[in-house]
Amino acid sequence: DSGVTQTPKHLITATGQRVTLRCSPRSGDLSVYWYQQSLDQGLQFLIQYYNGEERAKGNILERFSAQQFPDLHSELNLSSLELGDSALYFCASSVGIRGKGETQYFGPGTRLLVL
Amino acid sequence: TQLLEQSPQFLSIQEGENLTVYCNSSSVFSSLQWYRQEPGEGPVLLVTVVTGGEVKKLKRLTFQFGDARKDSSLHITAAQPGDTGLYLCAGESQGGSEKLVFGKGTKLTVNP
Repeated sequence: DSGVTQTPKHLITATGQRVTLRCSPRSGDLSVYWYQQSLDQGLQFLIQYYNGEERAKGNILERFSAQQFPDLHSELNLSSLELGDSALYFCASSVGIRGKGETQYFGPGTRLLVL
Repeated sequence: TQLLEQSPQFLSIQEGENLTVYCNSSSVFSSLQWYRQEPGEGPVLLVTVVTGGEVKKLKRLTFQFGDARKDSSLHITAAQPGDTGLYLCAGESQGGSEKLVFGKGTKLTVNP
């Protein structure tokens, strides 16, 4: 158990819909990272928040957005869903801003299926 | 765009055999990490290598970072069924970027 929790574990929805994925980081961790894992693309970095502020952006679509709240939990919002958005979405957390030796702890993921 | 190529993509071996998986790039990384991911779970960090030529051992696992910091290898001695999983390498780019670039992974199956 990494200490990072994600809900829900599974999510099935239809194209065009909007969903929200939730992540609670490990106690004391200020950074939250979101990743998307698909069979063809592998694990792709989406976005990072540090202490409530956006810190780094990766391959995140405009239809996706995220935020980190004052209690440090984070939500990833996916809208106008397409079939290709079906994937595993992981949240990770770390103590501070990434640097050498900084360890990211991954949650168990949310499996999203868009029908 | 920095890319990490992992090979082989799939590996199925018998218990007790040795194996090596590779992680290659044309880019230089300031550090490289290896993760293992089991079905239904998130990746778990195994090791971070930072210095070119560095070798780290974790029980039966030996990790090496290339001299030029562009490639890495993971060698497993006397593989066991518990080693089964997806092995991912991830590179941290130079210049202070906070993005980790992941390879697509090597799916290892160790048969009893």
